[in-house]
Amino acid sequence: AIRMTQSPSSFSASTGDRVTITCRASQDISTYLAWYQQKPGKAPNLLIYAASALQNGVPSRFSGSGSGTDFTLTISYLQSEDFASYYCQHYYTYPLTFGGGTKVEIK
Amino acid sequence: QVQLVESGGGVVQPGRSLRLSCAASGFTFSNYIMHWVRQAPGKGLEWVTTIWYDGSNKYYADSVKGRFTISRDNSKNTLYLQMNSLRAEDTAVYYCAKDFSNYFDYWGQGTLVTVSS
Repeated sequence: AIRMTQSPSSFSASTGDRVTITCRASQDISTYLAWYQQKPGKAPNLLIYAASALQNGVPSRFSGSGSGTDFTLTISYLQSEDFASYYCQHYYTYPLTFGGGTKVEIK
Repeated sequence: QVQLVESGGGVVQPGRSLRLSCAASGFTFSNYIMHWVRQAPGKGLEWVTTIWYDGSNKYYADSVKGRFTISRDNSKNTLYLQMNSLRAEDTAVYYCAKDFSNYFDYWGQGTLVTVSS
């Protein structure tokens, strides 16, 4: 199975900061990568697919990049509603796997 | 609008069975692959299983293979997860999710399954 490794697992940031989360795949997955945001007690919400395509309705401050094994999710200007956990997921082949998650906390 | 509503969760003893349901609306259910994804308390997301449009193909995580069975009734717009031989490590919130090219564009609110004696 393809292993997805996210870093960092958590960090603190302030409103207005630019933040970057990284996701590394254990093998080449081209751009078959999605990013999700999850708030406590809620279902995940799709942010990015195909590594860099923004899902309809997602604010443009979110962006994704990368291909092959290394990917990043960037929030250009952190807003209060962005404090949440973020997960990457590959869909290159089965089994589908997620990264371990990154929790973004308020500094 | 797309709606996915899971039901059937609860407390069950180890070794027993439980069946989850997911009622879908707002889209043509029979045209979409569907998935179950779970999340243990305080942990990350884990893909569990996938079923093709017509039920012809199914995929399972190794952790549930041979114990869980996914199925669907397109006439009722409903997805199912039959869980047998449940273990403590199956304790989780179970989400059904609609597919879009093998990622998940819509999720239900989840149903909690607790396996405990």
